[in-house]
Amino acid sequence: SQQGEEDPQALSIQEGENATMNCSYKTSINNLQWYRQNSGRGLVHLILIRSNEREKHSGRLRVTLDTSKKSSSLLITASRAADTASYFCATDGKVIFGPGTSLSVIP
Amino acid sequence: DTGVSQDPRHKITKRGQNVTFRCDPISEHNRLYWYRQTLGQGPEFLTYFQNEAQLEKSRLLSDRFSAERPKGSFSTLEIQRTEQGDSAMYLCASSLAGFNGAPLHFGNGTRLTVT
Repeated sequence: SQQGEEDPQALSIQEGENATMNCSYKTSINNLQWYRQNSGRGLVHLILIRSNEREKHSGRLRVTLDTSKKSSSLLITASRAADTASYFCATDGKVIFGPGTSLSVIP
Repeated sequence: DTGVSQDPRHKITKRGQNVTFRCDPISEHNRLYWYRQTLGQGPEFLTYFQNEAQLEKSRLLSDRFSAERPKGSFSTLEIQRTEQGDSAMYLCASSLAGFNGAPLHFGNGTRLTVT
């Protein structure tokens, strides 16, 4: 069964806008990771946030974690056409992925 | 670090045939994962190894599927008597166990088409 589930399933924005996607999970975690997948390629690790952290930044990425609500969000600021991809969250252990958010950034 | 490589990149086979895929992980990584991904879906966990030991298998991995990792290096995934429902992208990933939250490094996958 899926541990994490992303929302929305699809998101379309204009270049330069911010994109926010969310992840909800079911059981307690030690950490949560976000990955990106370009069409036809493998997944690429973006960022990890540990259960004792509330917010983390990496370049244009900002991740938050609310363990009381069992949810995380990924914010991509100043989006670019190259950010067009599917984004997945995954929790520790076996690393189970949700169905992903498909992001389209329109130039 | 040459990354995770998978071979072949594409495989077309007829229903009922056997196929075998290979994954070469990053050399110092002791953990290796196999996932299956269909269009529009996230990767589904199939199995993972720590060194040569297969630690967990998903119930998705029917008796037609078998994975090995001899000597704890490369891994193979074999599908016997393929069915059209086996058509998918098969992804391999590796990581360093013992590091809580070690990121997975993925290969670009083997796309299987069963006709």
